[in-house]
Amino acid sequence: SQQGEEDPQALSIQEGENATMNCSYKTSINNLQWYRQNSGRGLVHLILIRSNEREKHSGRLRVTLDTSKKSSSLLITASRAADTASYFCATDSATSGTYKYIFGTGTRLKVLA
Amino acid sequence: NAGVTQTPKFRVLKTGQSMTLLCAQDMNHEYMYWYRQDPGMGLRLIHYSVGEGTTAKGEVPDGYNVSRLKKQNFLLGLESAAPSQTSVYFCASTNRGRTGFRWTEAFFGQGTRLTVV
Repeated sequence: SQQGEEDPQALSIQEGENATMNCSYKTSINNLQWYRQNSGRGLVHLILIRSNEREKHSGRLRVTLDTSKKSSSLLITASRAADTASYFCATDSATSGTYKYIFGTGTRLKVLA
Repeated sequence: NAGVTQTPKFRVLKTGQSMTLLCAQDMNHEYMYWYRQDPGMGLRLIHYSVGEGTTAKGEVPDGYNVSRLKKQNFLLGLESAAPSQTSVYFCASTNRGRTGFRWTEAFFGQGTRLTVV
């Protein structure tokens, strides 16, 4: 089964609004990463947060990590039509001892102009 | 700088045919991965490699084989294609982080859209 599960599965907002999506995972992790995928394209890395960090910012992106709840959130502020894409969280396992990225099922974000 | 290149970009196979997907990276990365992406399923890990000459199974390895004879290339083979293997296949590569943590960002290819009829 998937390590990460994003919520909601789909989100539709107006341009200028904030978008929040969540990721829950099952096992202890070293790092959690967020990726964006435009339709029909490969994934692009957005931000990485380590297990000993609680919050991280990059431009209009803010990521939080709560290891006690095994969850992370991605906030996109002042959204733009160009932010329309699918967003995935990816985690590794702190216990498996191997170098595997496991992805969630993604959140489809639509920003209406 | 090409990054990660996948070939081919599109392919249609008949059931039972075989084919090989090629992934090439020019970033000297140690780790390479093959994923498949199906609607509503996100990305699922097929096989991965932590270095030249090594491979390991991911979440959904059945029906696929891989080889990593050269550090820069990671090949995904379908021995006898089935309609259930219709999907978009993505290759990715990454390296060990300099701080001692395991991860840095992964770089993805643009995908191979495979249809098995």
